[in-house]
Parts: sequence; C-alpha cells; structure tokens
Amino acid sequence: EDKVVQSPLSLVVHEGDTVTLNCSYEVTNFRSLLWYKQEKKAPTFLFMLTSSGIEKKSGRLSSILDKKELFSILNITATQTGDSAIYLCAVHQGRGGSNYKLTFGKGTLLTVNP
Amino acid sequence: DAGVTQSPTHLIKTRGQQVTLRCSPKSGHDTVSWYQQALGQGPQFIFQYYEEEERQRGNFPDRFSGHQFPNYSSELNVNALLLGDSALYLCASSPRGLLGYEQYFGPGTRLTVT
Repeated sequence: EDKVVQSPLSLVVHEGDTVTLNCSYEVTNFRSLLWYKQEKKAPTFLFMLTSSGIEKKSGRLSSILDKKELFSILNITATQTGDSAIYLCAVHQGRGGSNYKLTFGKGTLLTVNP
Repeated sequence: DAGVTQSPTHLIKTRGQQVTLRCSPKSGHDTVSWYQQALGQGPQFIFQYYEEEERQRGNFPDRFSGHQFPNYSSELNVNALLLGDSALYLCASSPRGLLGYEQYFGPGTRLTVT
C-alpha cells in the first residue's frame, strides 16, 4: 500500500525560529514529491522535487529530496506568524505519459507564535 | 487567468440524500482529480478524469461517481450520503501532456452531512 508519513504532526515555535518538517514515503511508480501549504482551504503549491540532492529554495523556504532513503525535508528559516499553516507532503505517482495521482501525508500543523 | 473554481462553497445534506459538486479546471488544463479531506487528515484521492473518462480511482465505494464534460469541467456525485462523508472536497486540475506536473487546487466544497 502506498504510504506517505509526515512528522511531526504538529509543531509550535516562536517567531524567528527555524523549523524542519519531515516526509518519508513508500510508493510505487514514484515520479516526484511535492510540498503544499494549506492555510484555509485550497493547498497552495510550494515545491516540486524530482532529483535527489538538489535543493529547491524560495525565500525563507527550502526543500531537498533523498530518493535513496525515500524522504524529503522542508526547512523554514526565520519563521513568521504568517507561516502558520498545515504543510502537506504529497508524492506524485505516474506511469508513462499519464498524470496519475497524488498520495498525501496527514500534514504538519505549524503554529508560529509572536 | 481563472484558476480552479468549485461550487458550491458549502453544503449541508441529510443522511441518505445525494449531492453533486462541480469543478472548472484552470485554463489550459484538461485533467481533473477529486480529493476528500476529512478534518485533521491529508487529502485522499477519489478519482481522476481525462478525455471524459475515469482514468484512475482511489479506495472509495461506488457511491462516489463522477463525470467530465467536453469543456473539461467535472462533477462529483455522492449517493446515499453517510455521516462519514462530511469533509472538504477538493478538485485539482493539471495538463496531461506534461510529466511530473504539479496539480492546482480549487478552494474546495465543505460538505456537512447531518
């Protein structure tokens, strides 16, 4: 059975702290790993990772994938209260040229206190 | 450029009733996927439509059915509603031709079954 596991499930930090969110996976037909931020309803796209060891960076957020050990981390430096959200990790599975499906983890609820 | 739109935003139904949710994909996208997100959980894949056919299905009973129209919009139908069907229903769209492509999510429909 395809499985995506995120840890921790929840995290409370103070503004300015650095956080690391973890995502491990066991799936068939791995194509890519994606990170989403969900504040109210629609998850919004953060990163897509397809190759091991190549860091993707956007402002204070960065992420890296290890395809050998089957995990990814999402780092957020100098956290702000606006970073409070659920962070979802999803694995994109596919065969051939077809978009297949996303298998999500349960998410990490990040709360950043002022 | 309109993103993914869903209607209605909220819906309250009674056990045993039937419901239809609607989704219009982002411009240029022809593939629509539906997800169910229960409280405190990550989204779970229901099914995916491309070229008006169901291409892939998750572990959901036959009470969940769908349809895609020639303009790529889609409907999700749920029959014989159960209390456990209460959730946020998310629609995501993507272009089939590109591999490993991130899916764009709509704002969701919050379904409450009483």
